[in-house]
Amino acid sequence: AQKITQTQPGMFVQEKEAVTLDCTYDTSDPSYGLFWYKQPSSGEMIFLIYQGSYDQQNATEGRYSLNFQKARKSANLVISASQLGDSAMYFCAMREGWSGGGADGLTFGKGTHLIIQP
Amino acid sequence: DADVTQTPRNRITKTGKRIMLECSQTKGHDRMYWYRQDPGLGLRLIYYSFDVKDINKGEISDGYSVSRQAQAKFSLSLESAIPNQTALYFCAISSGSMNTGELFFGEGSRLTVL
Repeated sequence: AQKITQTQPGMFVQEKEAVTLDCTYDTSDPSYGLFWYKQPSSGEMIFLIYQGSYDQQNATEGRYSLNFQKARKSANLVISASQLGDSAMYFCAMREGWSGGGADGLTFGKGTHLIIQP
Repeated sequence: DADVTQTPRNRITKTGKRIMLECSQTKGHDRMYWYRQDPGLGLRLIYYSFDVKDINKGEISDGYSVSRQAQAKFSLSLESAIPNQTALYFCAISSGSMNTGELFFGEGSRLTVL
C-alpha cells in the first residue's frame, strides 16, 4: 500500500481563488511528520510547510496552511488567494519516527500539478 | 553559495557507460540522501547515509552505488547506465537532530541515457 496518496494528478484554478491539494497518508507509527514541497518548472524542490503528528494546531506559513485531520489520516495543503506563481508540482511527504532516531528520509507522494489561470 | 551543490546539472550519456553524480554540502549536516524523480512517480529514495561509515539502501538501490567520501560529500554512481535510469536525480541533506526532519535539496542533476 502506498504510504502517501495524492489523488489529484492535475488541477486548474482561477487566480485569486483558494486551492486545496489533497494528501492522505498511511502509517502505524505514532510519531511522524508531514511535509509539503513545491517544485516549479525550473525543477528545484522548495519546502513549504511542516506538521508534526503531536502538533495540536494546524500549521500555517503565510498563504499556506495545512489542514491536518489525524483521525482521517489526511494532511491537505490549502493555498489562499492563489497567484500565477503558484503554478507548479506539489508533493506531500512523510517522515516516520523521530528524525533523531534513525529516520530514513521522507516518503513522497506522486504529486499534483497545479495550474493557476488568469 | 548554495547549501547543497550537485554536479553535473545535466548529462547525456550512452548505454553501458559509467556515470558519477556528485553532491557536496556546506551545512555540516550528517545525513545525506539520493533521490530519483520520474514523471508521475514522485521522488524515490535510492541510498542514504548517516555518516561516512553508515550507508543504507533505499527503495530503489539496484543498479546504483554510492560513496560518502567525507561528511560533506556523497556521490552516486551508475556502473553501467541503462536507458530506464534516465531521470532527474536529487541530493538532499538533513540535520538529523530532534527537529522536523526537513530535507534540503540540491538543484537536481538531469541524466539522459541513450
